[in-house]
This record gives sequence, C-alpha cells and structure tokens, in this order.
Amino acid sequence: DTGVSQNPRHKITKRGQNVTFRCDPISEHNRLYWYRQTLGQGPEFLTYFQNEAQLEKSRLLSDRFSAERPKGSFSTLEIQRTEQGDSAMYLCASSLEGAGSYGYTFGSGTRLTVV
Amino acid sequence: AQSVSQHNHHVILSEAASLELGCNYSYGGTVNLFWYVQYPGQHLQLLLKYFSGDPLVKGIKGFEAEFIKSKFSFNLRKPSVQWSDTAEYFCAAPLGSARQLTFGSGTQLTVLP
Repeated sequence: DTGVSQNPRHKITKRGQNVTFRCDPISEHNRLYWYRQTLGQGPEFLTYFQNEAQLEKSRLLSDRFSAERPKGSFSTLEIQRTEQGDSAMYLCASSLEGAGSYGYTFGSGTRLTVV
Repeated sequence: AQSVSQHNHHVILSEAASLELGCNYSYGGTVNLFWYVQYPGQHLQLLLKYFSGDPLVKGIKGFEAEFIKSKFSFNLRKPSVQWSDTAEYFCAAPLGSARQLTFGSGTQLTVLP
C-alpha cells in the first residue's frame, strides 16, 4: 500500500459543470477526511467518514457538495454546478481510529480550476 | 473560540541559520498538537506530534517542537536549516466537533543557498 491516492491530479472545468473526485485511502484506515486548501491558507475541513458513515460536515460544504464512501473503502467528492469560488486544492486524508489516529496521511490532492 | 494560529506568514533564512516558527493554540482540555510540512509539489507530511509526556518533541529531519503550556505555544525549531527545508509549515490541533484536525494558516519558509 503506497499511501492515499487521489484522482485526478488536476481538473479544469467550466462554470456550471459537475465534477467528481476520487480518494483511495490506506486500506486499513477506517477514517477518511476531505479538506479544501486555497492559496495562502491552511487546509479547511469539509467532511469525514468513519467506515461508510459520514459523521461530520463543515458549514463549508454547501448543498452543491456531496461525498460518499460506499462500503467504507474509496470515497468520492462531487461538486455540482461549479462556481469560480470552488477553485482550490481538494485534499483527502485517512487515519486509524483511536488515540494515535490523528497522524493523518494525506494524498497529493486534486487541483480544481473553474473557468 | 478554539483556534490554532501562526503569525509568521513568510520567513526567509540563509542556510545554516536557526529556525523557530510560532504556533499558538487556544483551547482547553487535553492538548494534542501537530506540525505538518508541505514541500513544493508534494503532499502534506507529518513532522511531529505532541500527545503527552515530555514537552520537547523530536520529529523527522532534525526538527523539534516544545510544548509550553503557560504560553499556549508549540513552536517548531531547527538549529541549522538547509535549502531543502524550503516548504510550507502548518501547525494543527484536533479542534473540530468530532476532533478532526484544524490547521493554522501556514508559514512559508524560504531558505536561501
């Protein structure tokens, strides 16, 4: 297992289009997180899953955003009707539950550009 | 409000200089603190973490951080930086309602050869 994998690495889309990103976490990690990072800012939490259950969603996650993690394995993040303000790096991370679980392993991210 | 803050947005040093990057936290209860690094074009990597015990934590690549409870600080240090340390550094803490990590705004470190 080589870590957290995210696809695609880059996505350019026209405003109003839908996009979907995929994250494959480390196989034994049962927690999966989505973050968004814009230039000059730290990663901002969007949502997280424990196994297949989505347990927390940030206020940043508007109705246009939806995330799934079927069967507790990979996860997808979909943005509908994209807006220019959605342009950012979308990061996925995974961790093990428990006291040592906060050592997240991050993927390389998907950079979204909305034109 | 609970927060993690980094006040140095951009630090420029020459090779062999000593480094100290500030991180302050504002929250109660059990304190867990982290430093992550993001090298150009790479993913975020964990440098070190503090859970309990010895307040001086040693991480990878010669970095260390000291947890000072009285100052609400967890500053990152390295005695002698190298050009390869050029990166963005983030302090983080589990502040979310589900104790998910909340990150500071980051410090861009540029080391001049």
